[in-house]
Amino acid sequence: NAGVTQTPKFRVLKTGQSMTLLCAQDMNHEYMYWYRQDPGMGLRLIHYSVGEGTTAKGEVPDGYNVSRLKKQNFLLGLESAAPSQTSVYFCASSRNRLGPEAFFGQGTRLTVV
Amino acid sequence: AQSVTQPDIHITVSEGASLELRCNYSYGATPYLFWYVQSPGQGLQLLLKYFSGDTLVQGIKGFEAEFKRSQSSFNLRKPSVHWSDAAEYFCAVGDGSSNTGKLIFGQGTTLQVKP
Repeated sequence: NAGVTQTPKFRVLKTGQSMTLLCAQDMNHEYMYWYRQDPGMGLRLIHYSVGEGTTAKGEVPDGYNVSRLKKQNFLLGLESAAPSQTSVYFCASSRNRLGPEAFFGQGTRLTVV
Repeated sequence: AQSVTQPDIHITVSEGASLELRCNYSYGATPYLFWYVQSPGQGLQLLLKYFSGDTLVQGIKGFEAEFKRSQSSFNLRKPSVHWSDAAEYFCAVGDGSSNTGKLIFGQGTTLQVKP
C-alpha cells in the first residue's frame, strides 16, 4: 500500500516549457488535491477534484490545469512555466466528506529558470 | 473568509521541555481541525484531528491538542519534546459542511530542539 505517489520528485524547467505532474493514490479516495508550498505561506490549494471526471479551482489556479480521467490519478499541468511557479508541489487525497483527513505525497520540487 | 494563523514562525525548546504550538482560526461554523508535521524534504504527516466530541484529542508521537471554541484556538502540546520532533508543524482547518474536503493551512511553525 503505497498511499499517495507523486512523479517526478524533482524537475528543472526553462521559462515557457510545459510539464505534467502525476499523482496516483491506491486508497480508493474520492477527493484529490494539488497544493503548492512556498516559504512562509503554508500550503495553498491550486485545484481539486471531488470525483472521477470532476475538477474545480482552488485558491491559486492561474497558470495550471488539471485532469482526473481515472479515480486514482490526478494530473497537474503547467502549459508555459514561469519563474513564479518555482515551488514544492504536493498532491493529497481524502476518502470523502465523512473522512476528510488528507493524506499527502512526498512532494515535487520544481524550479523554473 | 476562512483563515488560520500560527503566530509563532519559529520556536526553539530544549529536549525534555514541554511544548505548545499555537493555532487560531477564523471560521463561521464548526470546523474540522488538523495538525500536520513535515520533516525536511518530506510530505505532511497527520498528527491528530478534531471533528466533534471531546475537545481534547490525542494524536501520534505523544502529541495532543485542545479545541477551544470560545478562543477559536486549537493549540498543539507535548509534555516532553524529543530531538526527533524537530520539524515544521502546520495547523489546518476544513469545512465540515461542504462536500469538498478543502483545507486552509496556517503559515507553519518551525520547531528546533536544543540538546
